Amino acid sequence: SQTIHQWPATLVQPVGSPLSLECTVEGTSNPNLYWYRQAAGRGLQLLFYSVGIGQISSEVPQNLSASRPQDRQFILSSKKLLLSDSGFYLCAWSGTSESETQYFGPGTRLLVL
Amino acid sequence: KQEVTQIPAALSVPEGENLVLNCSFTDSAIYNLQWFRQDPGKGLTSLLLIQSSQREQTSGRLNASLDKSSGRSTLYIAASQPGDSATYLCAVMDSNYQLIWGAGTKLIIKP
Repeated sequence: SQTIHQWPATLVQPVGSPLSLECTVEGTSNPNLYWYRQAAGRGLQLLFYSVGIGQISSEVPQNLSASRPQDRQFILSSKKLLLSDSGFYLCAWSGTSESETQYFGPGTRLLVL
Repeated sequence: KQEVTQIPAALSVPEGENLVLNCSFTDSAIYNLQWFRQDPGKGLTSLLLIQSSQREQTSGRLNASLDKSSGRSTLYIAASQPGDSATYLCAVMDSNYQLIWGAGTKLIIKP
């Protein structure tokens, strides 16, 4: 069966510090991978998605970046965190059929102080 | 631009009641509509997926309907239980294969 992991579960970082959140998927090959941010009381916002190694599409301009160094690894990064980067970050995967459902990881709660 | 709205934002009902959660969307050009459940501080779990050509899907005590022409979906929960307490999120897949999300309905089932 497929599983998706995210770490860390929670993170408190000072403004201006770097960020690296990791997501890995097991039990499937060549998944589509997604990074979302969820702000309190709002819907999920798609940040990045990837259909393959090294292929990253960005949905919103921001100081975050994403990379996919391996087929089942998706990394969300920042060189300098802003206060507005605080939120709940969710990684998800789906099959290669574009209309399939997405399966979500447990999330990382980031607090920037 | 597709927008998804969920009403109400929060709902509290006694255990055992049947209830309906609502989701509306502004653009009927969708591939599918999905309902997810999110427990506090956790990731999302897919509950039901309705393709654009379908009108409803059922899973156990859950039934989701889709009226694409009017831009509406409902999630019906029968015989509610305290374990059903969670936030329920609705999302539509738009013409670019992107999921557009509602803000969710926080459901509390009182024992």
